[in-house]
Amino acid sequence: EPEVTQTPSHQVTQMGQEVILRCVPISNHLYFYWYRQILGQKVEFLVSFYNNEISEKSEIFDDQFSVERPDGSNFTLKIRSTKLEDSAMYFCASRGIRYTEAFFGQGTRLTVV
Amino acid sequence: GNSVTQMEGPVTLSEEAFLTINCTYTATGYPSLFWYVQYPGEGLQLLLKATKADDKGSNKGFEATYRKETTSFHLEKGSVQVSDSAVYFCALRGSGGSNYKLTFGKGTLLTVNP
Repeated sequence: EPEVTQTPSHQVTQMGQEVILRCVPISNHLYFYWYRQILGQKVEFLVSFYNNEISEKSEIFDDQFSVERPDGSNFTLKIRSTKLEDSAMYFCASRGIRYTEAFFGQGTRLTVV
Repeated sequence: GNSVTQMEGPVTLSEEAFLTINCTYTATGYPSLFWYVQYPGEGLQLLLKATKADDKGSNKGFEATYRKETTSFHLEKGSVQVSDSAVYFCALRGSGGSNYKLTFGKGTLLTVNP
C-alpha cells in the first residue's frame, strides 16, 4: 500500500541552525501539507502546497519557514534559524484529487537545544 | 474560525470495555469530519470519516455519527482490545475552498489493559 514517508524520524539541532525536513508523498498525489504538534498540544496546520506554489499558510508559517518540491518527488520543509519553540513533531501529508482525506507520514520529531 | 474540542485524556480501560471519546466542533457551513489514530511510533492514520450530517463512519469496530444538531462526532467502540491502545484525533475539514486543510483536536490517549 502506498504511503507517505518522512526522514529523519528524529532530528536534534542547535538553536539558530537551519534544518530541512524531508517527505516523499504518495506518487500520484497533487496536494501536499505540513502540520506540526508541539508536545501536549493540538496538531496545527502549517502550509499547503499545490501546483508548485503555496496555496495557504497559517500564521505560524512565518519567514523562517519555506517549502519546496525540488525534484517532483520530495517535498521539504526548511526552517532557516531554529528556535527552541520550534521543537515539535512535524507531519507531512498528501492528497490525491480523488480523495477527500489526506494521508500522513509517521512524522519527524525535531528537538532544538 | 473552525475548532475541534475533544475530551481530555488519558483514558484507561480494560479489554472488552465500551469506549466513547467525545468530540464537538465549531465550523461554518458543512464540514467533513474525521477520526485519525496514531499508534505508538507511527504516523496519523485515517480511522473513519463522515462527509455530511447523519452519516455514520465505521472501521475496525469503531463508529462515529455526524450530528449537526449537536455539532458532535463522538467515537465509540463496543469492545476494545489491547491493540486499540493509541492516540485518537478528531478533525474537521471546512466546506469552503479546495485546500482541504484539517483542523485537529488535541488528541486523546487510550490505554487498554488486558
